[in-house]
Amino acid sequence: GAVVSQHPSRVICKSGTSVKIECRSLDFQATTMFWYRQFPKQSLMLMATSNEGSKATYEQGVEKDKFLINHASLTLSTLTVTSAHPEDSSFYICSVRSGHEQYFGPGTRLTVT
Amino acid sequence: TQLLEQSPQFLSIQEGENLTVYCNSSSVFSSLQWYRQEPGEGPVLLVTVVTGGEVKKLKRLTFQFGDARKDSSLHITAAQTGDTGLYLCAGVIQGAQKLVFGQGTRLTINP
Repeated sequence: GAVVSQHPSRVICKSGTSVKIECRSLDFQATTMFWYRQFPKQSLMLMATSNEGSKATYEQGVEKDKFLINHASLTLSTLTVTSAHPEDSSFYICSVRSGHEQYFGPGTRLTVT
Repeated sequence: TQLLEQSPQFLSIQEGENLTVYCNSSSVFSSLQWYRQEPGEGPVLLVTVVTGGEVKKLKRLTFQFGDARKDSSLHITAAQTGDTGLYLCAGVIQGAQKLVFGQGTRLTINP
């Protein structure tokens, strides 16, 4: 299956600052990547679909100006959480799809203090 | 609205027992996946089913896709303590692109 990496694995930032999370598809060229968020004791919720060379598609209720997505190449998508607040603290996971299979990165734990 | 209803959400049984986890929807899925997720890690794909009525086996785990492709089940035979974890079903609704998840089943196998 596809191998997906994320960086950083953990990040702590202060309220009001921005933080960037990188997602790389290591062995597969992904025209589309998916960003999910998972709160403690909950399942994964799709935030947005990242499309290489074009604008991302955001799910209802996800602020596109707060969660900036850039998919500049077939192997890299970035998610920037702007003006982070404590309620943005969560586990962010990216994913790529190959055929019917969808593979996930190891996740990034964001803590906003 | 939860597109995929997964049950039970919590299950605690003794080692050696059998168990079944269900995933149900009113929507038809073009494919359905089962994942296992450990704390602090991303979900790991266990299996993908795409054909109605399909049955796949992975050692002691048996996965079934409903004939109408609206539901799926995961059956574990003779559960072991190493099976403890969070199991997630997820599917792509027919005609759509995104993968949606069920609520997850937190499974605990007691020695």
